[in-house]
Amino acid sequence: KAGVTQTPRYLIKTRGQQVTLSCSPISGHRSVSWYQQTPGQGLQFLFEYFSETQRNKGNFPGRFSGRQFSNSRSEMNVSTLELGDSALYLCASSKTSGGPRDTQYFGPGTRLTVL
Amino acid sequence: AQSVTQLGSHVSVSEGALVLLRCNYSSSVPPYLFWYVQYPNQGLQLLLKYTTGATLVKGINGFEAEFKKSETSFHLTKPSAHMSDAAEYFCAVSGASGGSYIPTFGRGTSLIVHP
Repeated sequence: KAGVTQTPRYLIKTRGQQVTLSCSPISGHRSVSWYQQTPGQGLQFLFEYFSETQRNKGNFPGRFSGRQFSNSRSEMNVSTLELGDSALYLCASSKTSGGPRDTQYFGPGTRLTVL
Repeated sequence: AQSVTQLGSHVSVSEGALVLLRCNYSSSVPPYLFWYVQYPNQGLQLLLKYTTGATLVKGINGFEAEFKKSETSFHLTKPSAHMSDAAEYFCAVSGASGGSYIPTFGRGTSLIVHP
């Protein structure tokens, strides 16, 4: 069974631009969560989608948004990029949104660099 | 509210020596606890998790952790380190809060294994 895939793996943007990152979950998984990982702040939860609905949202500004499609694939968008948005963005999928008994499987991440 | 403290941003051991990575948590609800490993340029992989039941949890690659409620700890151990264990390790806590199980991650501990 294929794992979680994220595209692109690396991305370079300039301040003020916007970016869209994609995540394809493991087949049969309906929940997708996004995390931001930086050396300064560590791993921080962005949002979770389940059956095309955002179920939870972390403490990030409105410039960060996401969506999930009927095939469970998810995208996240960051508008008006800032230097501080440079990070590794990780996507994780799980079968349901039923809590910690349901293991999350992480993708390799998208490394975003903002210049 | 929940939080995780990982003691030591770097831990250095010799190959064959005991590995001990420390994690203390704070949670206002019964906690679910996790250890993840991250290799360079990869996402996170679940090593083990505690939900309920037996407090000594065995995971993959010979790792185990013990949930000690009185000490609010969930330290990760491995009897004998291998060179391949060199990676970043993250402890995480989640708990039912308003129906949400959003995990909070520690800042990570980098395990260095010397030959």
